[in-house]
Amino acid sequence: GAGVSQSPSNKVTEKGKDVELRCDPISGHTALYWYRQSLGQGLEFLIYFQGNSAPDKSGLPSDRFSAERTGGSVSTLTIQRTQQEDSAVYLCASSGVLADNEQFFGPGTRLTVL
Amino acid sequence: GENVEQHPSTLSVQEGDSAVIKCTYSDSASNYFPWYKQELGKRPQLIIDIRSNVGEKKDQRIAVTLNKTAKHFSLHITETQPEDSAVYFCAASKGSNYQLIWGAGTKLIIKP
Repeated sequence: GAGVSQSPSNKVTEKGKDVELRCDPISGHTALYWYRQSLGQGLEFLIYFQGNSAPDKSGLPSDRFSAERTGGSVSTLTIQRTQQEDSAVYLCASSGVLADNEQFFGPGTRLTVL
Repeated sequence: GENVEQHPSTLSVQEGDSAVIKCTYSDSASNYFPWYKQELGKRPQLIIDIRSNVGEKKDQRIAVTLNKTAKHFSLHITETQPEDSAVYFCAASKGSNYQLIWGAGTKLIIKP
């Protein structure tokens, strides 16, 4: 595709349920990032994948959050036992061969936990 | 690790005036400094970046300056227009295989 895509665009779930958010990066991009952005706030780093290296998970807020990247392409962010404070926009970004290349962001998934 | 501080958090300027947003970084090994613009309800997009081998870079009404000695860099927007209203994020990176470290963002308001 032409850009980074994310699905679903909106997700409403009940407290305690698990959710999966998907990111399709730009083809050939080796780096993939997940961020969380609460309303009116900045970009909160969650996790970073770079090629075949072990992911940097230092930003994951709790063990309820996990992410994987299959085949170096598509990534899934999973939130288990969702809480109301998990409500936010989850943004995915990818970048080229060099990690300091431009990050291209997806449109985000707006998660609402009732 | 690297820490990036961004000021001010909110900036309101009259249309046509200039706006300056400043960022400082802590790791002297950082060598790449991009600026992203996020319009309301949209995704962040790169507007300009600078590498540590230059001190200034311009693109029409926007410019970025870098002071490696003081470890700070700034975004300058001249002749501001309503469409410049957005949140601007600075970031820093040590280059290949290092992720971007982001500032907290500046909400720029252009008053008509």
